[in-house]
Amino acid sequence: EAGVTQFPSHSVIEKGQTVTLRCDPISGHDNLYWYRRVMGKEIKFLLHFVKESKQDESGMPNNRFLAERTGGTYSTLKVQPAELEDSGVYFCASSQAPGLALGEQFFGPGTRLTVL
Amino acid sequence: GQQLNQSPQSMFIQEGEDVSMNCTSSSIFNTWLWYKQDPGEGPVLLIALYKAGELTSNGRLTAQFGITRKDSFLNISASIPSDVGIYFCAVTYSGAGSYQLTFGKGTKLSVIP
Repeated sequence: EAGVTQFPSHSVIEKGQTVTLRCDPISGHDNLYWYRRVMGKEIKFLLHFVKESKQDESGMPNNRFLAERTGGTYSTLKVQPAELEDSGVYFCASSQAPGLALGEQFFGPGTRLTVL
Repeated sequence: GQQLNQSPQSMFIQEGEDVSMNCTSSSIFNTWLWYKQDPGEGPVLLIALYKAGELTSNGRLTAQFGITRKDSFLNISASIPSDVGIYFCAVTYSGAGSYQLTFGKGTKLSVIP
């Protein structure tokens, strides 16, 4: 069974540009999460989708970040316009169910975003 | 929001040595998790703890859920080179109907052969 995949693995852009990150969850997982780790800091929650609906977007830093999950399959996270402080590793995770019993979150390898 | 204090920040140990790391919080949690991140990969769940005082093992790894529900530790016995990576403690927060994870800052482990 394929795991969570993310594309691209690395992205280097200039301040003010737009970048779109993609996440393909494990097939059949309705729950999809985005997290971000800024260098030297902890991994922080951004938002949670249940199918195509945003269940919790309390971690989104500001309105330059837009996450979508049309059709409830893959998700995209767009940063527009990118700022220097957006640099970090963006992780996607998926789980079968939101609760803990079946809710183990499986993480993708991350997208390393560098904003110059 | 919740904050987890994880220590140590990094460790350099000889192969074969035992390792211990811990996490503390000012808040009470009902679940503690330990993840490992290998270079270029995402975090992988190692051990999940659901009950205060619980001691759980996974091979050479042992983790305990503190009796106060405000802390947890992870021990690795007889370390080997493939134990290298970043270890994160995490707790689940079930606010707003979401089961987001809150992570510690990580312990970077280096094993010297």
